[in-house]
Amino acid sequence: DARVTQTPRHKVTEMGQEVTMRCQPILGHNTVFWYRQTMMQGLELLAYFRNRAPLDDSGMPKDRFSAEMPDATLATLKIQPSEPRDSAVYFCASGRSGRDGTYEQYFGPGTRLTVT
Amino acid sequence: AQSVTQLGSHVSVSEGALVLLRCNYSSSVPPYLFWYVQYPNQGLQLLLKYTTGATLVKGINGFEAEFKKSETSFHLTKPSAHMSDAAEYFCAVSDRGPSYDKVIFGPGTSLSVIP
Repeated sequence: DARVTQTPRHKVTEMGQEVTMRCQPILGHNTVFWYRQTMMQGLELLAYFRNRAPLDDSGMPKDRFSAEMPDATLATLKIQPSEPRDSAVYFCASGRSGRDGTYEQYFGPGTRLTVT
Repeated sequence: AQSVTQLGSHVSVSEGALVLLRCNYSSSVPPYLFWYVQYPNQGLQLLLKYTTGATLVKGINGFEAEFKKSETSFHLTKPSAHMSDAAEYFCAVSDRGPSYDKVIFGPGTSLSVIP
């Protein structure tokens, strides 16, 4: 059963440190999304890639966040420097078009980030 | 831009009672519509989706949703709630155009099931 994998599952770090989260999309999926989930803001789209090209990162704080896809099997989300307000669960999702032309997203288990 | 509203951030039902979770979208052109479920400490899973054709869509775990164009709604229902249905439910939309893969999620509705 193919799944999106994310590492690490949990990360506790101190303010000012760099944080790197990794995602392995499902093989054959051509789009990758990064979301942030908090109680206050709900599920926010940070960035998304199609065929490894960034399409939309308007939801991402540009001064400290960066998202890349070095190859088709790896997507990364970096925060430098991290701040306590970055504490959240970060989800990666990958997807492909279904036979009916719609798009189906598959979510990873998330990385729970705590910045102290 | 597409948006989704979900009426009620928290809904409580008794076990065996009807589940009704509301979703409305804002678009003059009917988008693709989805319902996702998130169990505690997990990612989101697709419950069901509407593309074209039959307006009543059946999904997993006994859930179904009906697309009503005149009401711009896509409410989720289940005839009889089970304890295992307690979770967060998200309605989502995407355009039918070039950005078909950009899925916009609603704020979510937390469902509690009372024994």
